[in-house]
Amino acid sequence: GAGVSQSPSNKVTEKGKDVELRCDPISGHTALYWYRQSLGQGLEFLIYFQGNSAPDKSGLPSDRFSAERTGGSVSTLTIQRTQQEDSAVYLCASSLNRDRDGYTFGSGTRLTVV
Amino acid sequence: DQQVKQNSPSLSVQEGRISILNCDYTNSMFDYFLWYKKYPAEGPTFLISISSIKDKNEDGRFTVFLNKSAKHLSLHIVPSQPGDSAVYFCAASTYNTDKLIFGTGTRLQVFP
Repeated sequence: GAGVSQSPSNKVTEKGKDVELRCDPISGHTALYWYRQSLGQGLEFLIYFQGNSAPDKSGLPSDRFSAERTGGSVSTLTIQRTQQEDSAVYLCASSLNRDRDGYTFGSGTRLTVV
Repeated sequence: DQQVKQNSPSLSVQEGRISILNCDYTNSMFDYFLWYKKYPAEGPTFLISISSIKDKNEDGRFTVFLNKSAKHLSLHIVPSQPGDSAVYFCAASTYNTDKLIFGTGTRLQVFP
């Protein structure tokens, strides 16, 4: 597609349940990033994939969070045993040439843990 | 540890005037800086960037200034338009990674 696609756009889940968030990057983009934005906060880095290199997981807030990128394309962010503090908008972005084009973000998944 | 700071959470400017959004950073290794604009319920969109080898980059109504000695950058929008009303994030990265560190954002409101 023309842009970065994220699904679902909204997710309400009960505390303690697991959730999976999906990101379809722009075709051909080698780098993929996950960020989240909590209410009133900036964009918090979570994880970064670049080609076949090992992902940079330094931003994942706890071991309940994990992400994978299959075939260098689609990525899934999984949150296990969700907590209320996980409520946020989760944003995915991809890029090919950061210096020329920056990142292209998707519209995000709004996760609400009740 | 907030490496990129936007100390003004909001800014209100009259249409036609200049909007100046500020950003400070603490990591002297940052060598690439970007500004993003975000409308409600949408992802951020790339606006303009600047490399640390420059002190100014201009694109239409948008100009970014970088003062490395002060670890400060600013985004100037002139003339401001109502459609510019959005949240603006500055971001920075170092030479050895594409990972961006974002500020907390400044909400700009341009009124007629």
